[in-house]
Amino acid sequence: QKEVEQNSGPLSVPEGAIASLNCTYSDRGSQSFFWYRQYSGKSPELIMSIYSNGDKEDGRFTAQLNKASQYVSLLIRDSQPSDSATYLCAVVPGSGSARQLTFGSGTQLTVLP
Amino acid sequence: GAVVSQHPSRVICKSGTSVKIECRSLDFQATTMFWYRQFPKKSLMLMATSNEGSKATYEQGVEKDKFLINHASLTLSTLTVTSAHPEDSSFYICSAREEGVGGYTFGSGTRLTVV
Repeated sequence: QKEVEQNSGPLSVPEGAIASLNCTYSDRGSQSFFWYRQYSGKSPELIMSIYSNGDKEDGRFTAQLNKASQYVSLLIRDSQPSDSATYLCAVVPGSGSARQLTFGSGTQLTVLP
Repeated sequence: GAVVSQHPSRVICKSGTSVKIECRSLDFQATTMFWYRQFPKKSLMLMATSNEGSKATYEQGVEKDKFLINHASLTLSTLTVTSAHPEDSSFYICSAREEGVGGYTFGSGTRLTVV
């Protein structure tokens, strides 16, 4: 079983729509959760971080965390063509002192003009 | 915000040579840095955790003698790919975490091509 799983995509949404990206994780002790955006040929950039259950909003982005279900999601409202990228879910496992990130395989999002 | 500088951004080398990649935290101290490798259309794979002043911790399957990591100061970690082969061609990315802040900042990545 993979430690962090994302819906494989690719996901296409029309401009202005809501894009919904999902992620599940296997380590119930995980405490830190991140969403990164990666454009082709570039390194990941942090979009959102979330540490407690519930919703966290930042502009057009909302992260949702449900630790009981081991589920974290990212909603992108009013999607723009510039949002087209691969979105990576990353989790810091509960054990281990180095606190390294574990990434999902990524979901490729295309926003159609 | 925290900035991580990674150099070079792109390098082409001949088989059998060694290549050094530098990762610097510019405005914060990082006792721990992480090195990732990414193949086309794949996710990031953690190669090793670089610890300031001590030996790096390598992930299973990563050859420590081939991928030499040195973390000599709180702001600099280097990855040296020794005796490079074409199969080492990949996108290498470093990351650092600013203590007490949370979030992990990534360098801009190094595209290595071994010919």
